Amino acid sequence: DGGITQSPKYLFRKEGQNVTLSCEQNLNHDAMYWYRQDPGQGLRLIYYSQIVNDFQKGDIAEGYSVSREKKESFPLTVTSAQKNPTAFYLCASKSGSSYNSPLHFGNGTRLTVT
Amino acid sequence: AQSVTQLGSHVSVSEGALVLLRCNYSSSVPPYLFWYVQYPNQGLQLLLKYTSAATLVKGINGFEAEFKKSETSFHLTKPSAHMSDAAEYFCAVIDPSGSARQLTFGSGTQLTVLP
Repeated sequence: DGGITQSPKYLFRKEGQNVTLSCEQNLNHDAMYWYRQDPGQGLRLIYYSQIVNDFQKGDIAEGYSVSREKKESFPLTVTSAQKNPTAFYLCASKSGSSYNSPLHFGNGTRLTVT
Repeated sequence: AQSVTQLGSHVSVSEGALVLLRCNYSSSVPPYLFWYVQYPNQGLQLLLKYTSAATLVKGINGFEAEFKKSETSFHLTKPSAHMSDAAEYFCAVIDPSGSARQLTFGSGTQLTVLP
């Protein structure tokens, strides 16, 4: 079955360490997205990519970095510069450029930094 | 700029009762609107979407939503709640004329279904 795989499901890191979250999709979607979810705040867009080797900052990109070397993969690195990295991170993808195409989500990675 | 407001961060209903989750949007032009559902520790699933074809939109699991331009609303309803409906629900909007052209999500409504 096609879908989006995020790994790992739970991740624990010490403060000051960079950490990379994996996102792989086999839906053949061009566009991919990273969202951060905090209780009571909905989803906030970190980065998105509409084509391989190109990506744009979202609303809260500071302290994060991404790459898009392959269509299937869009890893997110949470750097030590991110002030409050503990959160639930969701990866999503979408086919085509139509505004009304729905997002398909992975099951998320819960990152805890202590 | 587009935005979406979900009234009520927590809603409780009895099993079999009507479910009403409120969503109001702000957009300079008729937007595209979506409702997503999230079960614990999972990603979001699309329930339904409004794309101007019809004001009453039917989705999965018996949910529907009505687009009311005069009230700038897109409330989600279900005639009879089931225990399996307990989840968090997100309304989202995209303004096709905006420069961002990305989904903006509301802060979510946690639905509890009481036996």
